[in-house]
Amino acid sequence: QSLLTQPPSASGTPGQRVTISCSGSSSNIANYYVYWYQRLPGTAPKLLLYRNDQRPSGVSDRFSGSKSGTSASLAISGLRSEDEADYFCATWDDSLSGWVFGGGTKLTVL
Amino acid sequence: EVQLVESGGRVVRPGGSLRLSCAASGFTFDDFGMTWVRQSPGKGLEWVSSINWNGVRTTYVGSMKGRFTISRDNAKNSLYLQMTSLTAEDTAFYYCARGETVREGLDYWGQGTLVTVSS
Repeated sequence: QSLLTQPPSASGTPGQRVTISCSGSSSNIANYYVYWYQRLPGTAPKLLLYRNDQRPSGVSDRFSGSKSGTSASLAISGLRSEDEADYFCATWDDSLSGWVFGGGTKLTVL
Repeated sequence: EVQLVESGGRVVRPGGSLRLSCAASGFTFDDFGMTWVRQSPGKGLEWVSSINWNGVRTTYVGSMKGRFTISRDNAKNSLYLQMTSLTAEDTAFYYCARGETVREGLDYWGQGTLVTVSS
């Protein structure tokens, strides 16, 4: 069982705004940056957000992130069909002394 | 363009050993720490091991300490994971990622190589 909890699925219609949560604890999210990734089938994970809310060059501003306490969120606005993918969060965990990952959320664009 | 290409995955018998490789290109390899992450069938991602830029600092998830060894050859722009005493629970896709610490993050990932432990 992942130390970071994400909903297994999420959905929305084109143009909608969708939010994916990532719930952790005082040993991980509360004290460290959160990273978000997108994974399309058969491809390598792609970094969407780093240090909670920073977008790498080339990532659309439709993707945004936030963190509060022991939880973080990824928001996708103006949903598009190409956003249909798996999304997962990651951060450091003190008890593990290593990286921890969310279980992933499969986003479906209806 | 940053590229990470894993190789070495195959079917191996329980108790066997295997070395995975990750060939890096498109960036100055010895400027970055590196990390191995795995995903078993039907399960989430699991951090395996990380190494700093010069190989002096290595970290492992507890269950793999002593069985797995991470290393790198900066002259060859390559990262390695030596795995021993393999069990069925080690069956997974193994990914290499650029980065080590939470400050730098894991910003680029390879597509993974499949290790299957089966008799």
